[in-house]
Amino acid sequence: GIQVEQSPPDLILQEGANSTLRCNFSDSVNNLQWFHQNPWGQLINLFYIPSGTKQNGRLSATTVATERYSLLYISSSQTTDSGVYFCAVVLSGSARQLTFGSGTQLTVLP
Amino acid sequence: GAVVSQHPSRVICKSGTSVKIECRSLDFQATTMFWYRQFPKQSLMLMATSNEGSKATYEQGVEKDKFLINHASLTLSTLTVTSAHPEDSSFYICSARSDRDADNEQFFGPGTRLTVL
Repeated sequence: GIQVEQSPPDLILQEGANSTLRCNFSDSVNNLQWFHQNPWGQLINLFYIPSGTKQNGRLSATTVATERYSLLYISSSQTTDSGVYFCAVVLSGSARQLTFGSGTQLTVLP
Repeated sequence: GAVVSQHPSRVICKSGTSVKIECRSLDFQATTMFWYRQFPKQSLMLMATSNEGSKATYEQGVEKDKFLINHASLTLSTLTVTSAHPEDSSFYICSARSDRDADNEQFFGPGTRLTVL
């Protein structure tokens, strides 16, 4: 099956710093989503981004489908950004279920 | 974005009992719903896919007789953990998608934390 790898696995930042999270996938995909899982477990949709670039406030994401990777940028990080960030993909031609990466645990220190 | 609810948010039960978890799409019709399980410090693992009005499709290694899934309407899916044992303790999360949505974006419920004593 498709492999989804995220890096780094853990990231500790000082409040106000910027960061880039990476998601590599091993095959062609129809769909790619980025999520933030907060400390209570809720998955929050950040971006639906099978290709191209999108921005939402301090967050932006870029997916280069031909090179099989996606990047999530967090600027001016805040303590509320802490949590686990997952990317998840839908394999082209599949039954359209999401396959999740292993996540990046982000801790933003005050 | 679309809203998905789950109930209960937390349940503690004795070994051998059955537990039902509800997943509802509140503001859209979910033609497809998914059930995931997440163990501590791990990623989400898909358990099964359910389409309204038809039998669920289970992932390899997931016992369909133990994890009963019903998707009787376009807004409700239920997961019943039958004869629960301590190893079934986990965080169960549902998601929903409308096949009418060209993007096929999935939206997730807040999860249910199951503890089996």
